[in-house]
Amino acid sequence: QSALTQPASVSGSPGQSITISCTGTSSDIGDYNYVSWFQQHPGSVPKLIIYDVNNRPSGVSNRFSGSKSGNTASLTISGLQTEDEADYYCNSFTRSTTHVFGTGTKLTVL
Amino acid sequence: EVQLVESGGGIVQPGGSLRLSCTASGFTFTNYWMHWVRQAPGKGLVWVSRIASDERTASYADSLRGRFTISRDNAKNTVYLQMNSLSADDTAMYYCARDLRVANSWGQGTLVTVSS
Repeated sequence: QSALTQPASVSGSPGQSITISCTGTSSDIGDYNYVSWFQQHPGSVPKLIIYDVNNRPSGVSNRFSGSKSGNTASLTISGLQTEDEADYYCNSFTRSTTHVFGTGTKLTVL
Repeated sequence: EVQLVESGGGIVQPGGSLRLSCTASGFTFTNYWMHWVRQAPGKGLVWVSRIASDERTASYADSLRGRFTISRDNAKNTVYLQMNSLSADDTAMYYCARDLRVANSWGQGTLVTVSS
């Protein structure tokens, strides 16, 4: 049950788009459409921004979108804003009926 | 308003035990899976365990199975995490979470520090 693999950091300028990848295996991401993404600002509780691969909870900006191909899920943030600077984590349900988080990605908005 | 309030954290010596509690309000507790997630200082989120509304069906992260036990009391709207044989590696903020999908909500966390 290894953590899902995410890039340690990504960066972009305001207005640009960035994509964060989350790579798992055929026993988690590849087997279920139960991928969630969480945003966490320093000192704050995680916030759900995407669930079930590509669904946004009520109140989450449509600048956030998710997708999946094979064993890799992706989070895209368009029209980057300074307040998007945060840590981002993916999460997947697994064949062992457990969950697993990604290693986390620090987004810097330059 | 959905509320999850964790308690029970604190400083514990290596080898010791601790029981965390998470009391829920503002929603029908029995409709949801409940999870524990932890985050060591400066590190990422780690899923710990989950328990179904039947108070029996549970699963654990492989690395923690055997030392940690999750339970819930639906009559008290409370989920627990019993942690045994604690080591410095267990030092973390422990969060209680409702669901990890569409109905997700988080508590503010309770800090566990394992130190002599």
